[in-house]
Amino acid sequence: GAGVSQSPSNKVTEKGKDVELRCDPISGHTALYWYRQSLGQGLEFLIYFQGNSAPDKSGLPSDRFSAERTGGSVSTLTIQRTQQEDSAVYLCASSKILGSSGSPDTQYFGPGTRLTVL
Amino acid sequence: AQSVTQLDSQVPVFEEAPVELRCNYSSSVSVYLFWYVQYPNQGLQLLLKYLSGSTLVKGINGFEAEFNKSQTSFHLRKPSVHISDTAEYFCAVSGRSGGSYIPTFGRGTSLIVHP
Repeated sequence: GAGVSQSPSNKVTEKGKDVELRCDPISGHTALYWYRQSLGQGLEFLIYFQGNSAPDKSGLPSDRFSAERTGGSVSTLTIQRTQQEDSAVYLCASSKILGSSGSPDTQYFGPGTRLTVL
Repeated sequence: AQSVTQLDSQVPVFEEAPVELRCNYSSSVSVYLFWYVQYPNQGLQLLLKYLSGSTLVKGINGFEAEFNKSQTSFHLRKPSVHISDTAEYFCAVSGRSGGSYIPTFGRGTSLIVHP
C-alpha cells in the first residue's frame, strides 16, 4: 500500500523567501507529525496533529514556522522568511493511536524534504 | 517531561560480531518504547517496539531489545551483525497514559560494520 509521501524531495531557496513543504499521510492515520533532522542532531519535533484536536505547536522554533492539516489528511509546513539555519531535512510521519491511550503506535515516516537555504 | 539518552554516538564493530546499542529513558509515567533504523539515503523505519507483555522484544533483521523498567533502559542487541546493518539507529519513547504522547527521540547511534 501507499506510504507517507512528501514533496518536494529537494528544495533550494534564497534567504528571506517563503517555502511550503507538503506531506500526504497514510490513509486512516489520525496522527501526523513534523520533525526536523539536522546532521548529527537526531530528530527535532516541530508540530503534532491528532484528529480534530488543536495541534500541538510546542516544537516550532519561531513564529516563522506554521503548519496546517486540511480535512484530517494532507499537511503543509510553511516557513516564512527562510534563514540559513533552517537548512535541514524535514520529515513527516503518520500513525494510528493505541486504543484509548492517546499514545501513538508505530510511526511511518516519509522520505523527507531536504531544504537548503542559500 | 520525558527524555531519551543514547549513550554512544558511534559504534564500530566487525562483521559477525555481537553488538549492543544502549538506550536509557526518563519519564514520570509508564511508557511505550521504539527502535527505528535509518539506512543510508533511506527513510526511518520501525525495527521493533515494546507496548506491553514480554519484556524481550524481537524485531526485524535479527535484532532484539529488552525493556528493563528498574534500570529505565531499552538496549538493542544483535548476536551477529552484517555489513548491511550499517545504519543510524534511533530509540524513541512516548507516554502510555498522561505524560507526553509526542514521541521523544534520542540523538541516534551510528552503527558501522567493518568487513
